[in-house]
Amino acid sequence: GENVEQHPSTLSVQEGDSAVIKCTYSDSASNYFPWYKQELGKRPQLIIDIRSNVGEKKDQRIAVTLNKTAKHFSLHITETQPEDSAVYFCAASRSITGTASKLTFGTGTRLQVTL
Amino acid sequence: KAGVTQTPRYLIKTRGQQVTLSCSPISGHRSVSWYQQTPGQGLQFLFEYFSETQRNKGNFPGRFSGRQFSNSRSEMNVSTLELGDSALYLCASSLERGGDTQYFGPGTRLTVL
Repeated sequence: GENVEQHPSTLSVQEGDSAVIKCTYSDSASNYFPWYKQELGKRPQLIIDIRSNVGEKKDQRIAVTLNKTAKHFSLHITETQPEDSAVYFCAASRSITGTASKLTFGTGTRLQVTL
Repeated sequence: KAGVTQTPRYLIKTRGQQVTLSCSPISGHRSVSWYQQTPGQGLQFLFEYFSETQRNKGNFPGRFSGRQFSNSRSEMNVSTLELGDSALYLCASSLERGGDTQYFGPGTRLTVL
């Protein structure tokens, strides 16, 4: 089955700096890669996702890049703010409309943005 | 639209008991998936329901089961609880099966004593 590795497990950056979280996946058939942000005691919330027909996607300060050949995707957060502090999870799935949609998650990255 | 809701939010049970958790998906969403979140194992897929049928199952023992009703609401049941079942149980709904974003509920925090 699919296996997703995520690094680093913890990341501390100063406010205003950039943060990068990296994930690798094992199943070359995976084609959907969402990123979730989970604040303490709250539900995981989707912040951005990318499908395998796209190499990069950006939404304001957040961007995700995908390298299908290397089976690698990354989350980039620019101009970090204290409210970005949370645990971030990457996930992968072999997602085809009308078929099973099972997300395999990475182990999470705890991001701490310091003042 | 209201988000995914889960009840109860917190549960305390003892070993050997059974528990039923409930999930109401976003209105119009037909697929419901369940995940277990623990500090040691992270987020792990339990099962997916669509059109009242279990379509996909993760690597969990048969003590974990679920069902989906005609209104897409879903329940999961854990029988003969073990200490290791203590976790946050999250459900996620999506519009259809596959290819769609999954939106998570707030979870049910289960503690087994």
